[in-house]
Amino acid sequence: DIQMTQSPSSVSASVGDRVTITCRASQGISSWLAWYQQKPGKAPKFLIYAASSLQSGVPSRFSGSGSGTDFSLTISSLQPEDFATYYCQQANSFPLTFGGGTKVEIK
Amino acid sequence: EVQLVESGGGLIQPGGSLRLSCAASGFTVSSNYMSWVRQAPGKGLEWVSILYSGGSGGSTYYADSVKGRFTISRDNSKNTLYLQMNSLRAEDTAVYYCARGYHGSGRIYGMDVWGQGTTVTVSS
Repeated sequence: DIQMTQSPSSVSASVGDRVTITCRASQGISSWLAWYQQKPGKAPKFLIYAASSLQSGVPSRFSGSGSGTDFSLTISSLQPEDFATYYCQQANSFPLTFGGGTKVEIK
Repeated sequence: EVQLVESGGGLIQPGGSLRLSCAASGFTVSSNYMSWVRQAPGKGLEWVSILYSGGSGGSTYYADSVKGRFTISRDNSKNTLYLQMNSLRAEDTAVYYCARGYHGSGRIYGMDVWGQGTTVTVSS
């Protein structure tokens, strides 16, 4: 199985900050990576697929990059509604696997 | 409106069985890749199973943690996805989400539509 490791596990930031979350796969997954946002008590929201393609309706302040084993999600200017937990997920092979999550908290 | 609504969760004793349902609206379950994903209390997301699109059947895959105990299926006439869970264990306690696969060219890219989740608690 492909292991997905996210870092950091949590980050404290202020509104307007630039935040970057990284995700590393235990083996190469080409660009088959997705990112999700989850708020407490809610279902995950699909943000990015194929490492860098923005899902329809997702604000352009979100961006993704990477290929192979190393990926990142960047929020260019953090907004109040962006405080949440973010997960990466590999879509290269079954079983699909998620990273452990990164909680973005208010500083 | 595209929507998924799960039901069937509850409190069940270890070793028991439960069937979760996921009713879809606004799209056809049989034409999509449909997954179950779970989240234990205070923990991260864990993919459970997927049913690929295709006719009356479709290919299925499972996480090792549930293989041989859980079965994913669908009823095309009801546009509903199911998860039959047998031999339940305490570690199966979680919120269970169904999700639609975002796919193209024969592969899945992620999961773009999620239900609100249904809670399964396995405890004596």
